[in-house]
Amino acid sequence: ETGVTQTPRHLVMGMTNKKSLKCEQHLGHNAMYWYKQSAKKPLELMFVYSLEERVENNSVPSRFSPECPNSSHLFLHLHTLQPEDSALYLCASSQDASGAYNEQFFGPGTRLTVL
Amino acid sequence: AQKITQTQPGMFVQEKEAVTLDCTYDTSDQSYGLFWYKQPSSGEMIFLIYQGSYDEQNATEGRYSLNFQKARKSANLVISASQLGDSAMYFCAMSPANAGGTSYGKLTFGQGTILTVHP
Repeated sequence: ETGVTQTPRHLVMGMTNKKSLKCEQHLGHNAMYWYKQSAKKPLELMFVYSLEERVENNSVPSRFSPECPNSSHLFLHLHTLQPEDSALYLCASSQDASGAYNEQFFGPGTRLTVL
Repeated sequence: AQKITQTQPGMFVQEKEAVTLDCTYDTSDQSYGLFWYKQPSSGEMIFLIYQGSYDEQNATEGRYSLNFQKARKSANLVISASQLGDSAMYFCAMSPANAGGTSYGKLTFGQGTILTVHP
């Protein structure tokens, strides 16, 4: 298994749909992250989980709801999204969440299109 | 607050030549880490190289080296002997050291530089 996997790779949904993005890491890491990458914008950190506890929530709208049932899995539940939420959603993991001395390993991302 | 600036939206290089991608940063933190990532068209972010703010030696990883000039707050990436497979978007990022739980894993990214390697 490669380090960080994400499913689905592509998702098209209507504004009234509910869907979930899944991330799984096989690296034995303790921290996991969700990022949003919009066109022509830097990556934006959305959520950070350390040992299954959410430690960072970067003013993300409530229509995005993260879930971390264990240190290997991270979900992003989506409901009533807006077209401007269309983006590449990247999951990452690191040994822990100490920031400066831990590189983050990224998954391939989910390309989300909201119609 | 931290800020990363990559002033080159796009760069071109001939195969087998070296190229430097610029990155400057702004932070009030004393301890921080600097990272470079590569993002091919497939979307995955690939970690390339890391430099700690207290490291005296410039980091190197194979064909990648980081030209770290702390006083100038710059962390340029040098790719030697460019290959066609190096064509991708390159991101510079930084993260503070965890200080009392307020900076958990907070990578701040620049806008990125698109590198195109010509045969």
